[in-house]
Amino acid sequence: AQSVSQHNHHVILSEAASLELGCNYSYGGTVNLFWYVQYPGQHLQLLLKYFSGDPLVKGIKGFEAEFIKSKFSFNLRKPSVQWSDTAEYFCAVTPRNAGNMLTFGGGTRLMVKP
Amino acid sequence: EPEVTQTPSHQVTQMGQEVILRCVPISNHLYFYWYRQILGQKVEFLVSFYNNEISEKSEIFDDQFSVERPDGSNFTLKIRSTKLEDSAMYFCASSELAGSETQYFGPGTRLLVL
Repeated sequence: AQSVSQHNHHVILSEAASLELGCNYSYGGTVNLFWYVQYPGQHLQLLLKYFSGDPLVKGIKGFEAEFIKSKFSFNLRKPSVQWSDTAEYFCAVTPRNAGNMLTFGGGTRLMVKP
Repeated sequence: EPEVTQTPSHQVTQMGQEVILRCVPISNHLYFYWYRQILGQKVEFLVSFYNNEISEKSEIFDDQFSVERPDGSNFTLKIRSTKLEDSAMYFCASSELAGSETQYFGPGTRLLVL
């Protein structure tokens, strides 16, 4: 079975600071990788995803993530955060061509101070 | 933009009672899912559903749980005899294609079992 770890549970940044949220997964086969975001009072929304191809993927709102296969990592980055990025961020994986189950990390709560 | 909707947003019930959580997936989607998140814990997969049958389920999805697509639009999760530990946020999701495709989440139903 797969598992996902997000190392940072809480992150506090000032506006314009750079962001990197760690995500590592464990699974013996090929996976599809996702970052979801949950803004306060809202539902989970897809931020970006990686299925294949260029390991550097760009998502909405200036976010990007890099898949490093050798490190089983899919870290989320943003060069300059805004107050509106305050949210909880979830990394998730699903085995490619082997079922439907999304496995989530524990989430990282990001607070951006204005 | 089409969204997954869920009703009710909040449900309070007594232990031992049956509850039905309702979801309306995105209209052209074929795969449906239920997840739950106990307060302070990870989002956990419960079940996936395709072509009017369960395609995958987790260990959490025991005999007290059932899912149904009673008509062309609704997708329901029934908990037959609720327990205190069933208190959680329940998320419905849907995807257009096979399970490894992007899953779109509803806003969740917060269930409290007293």
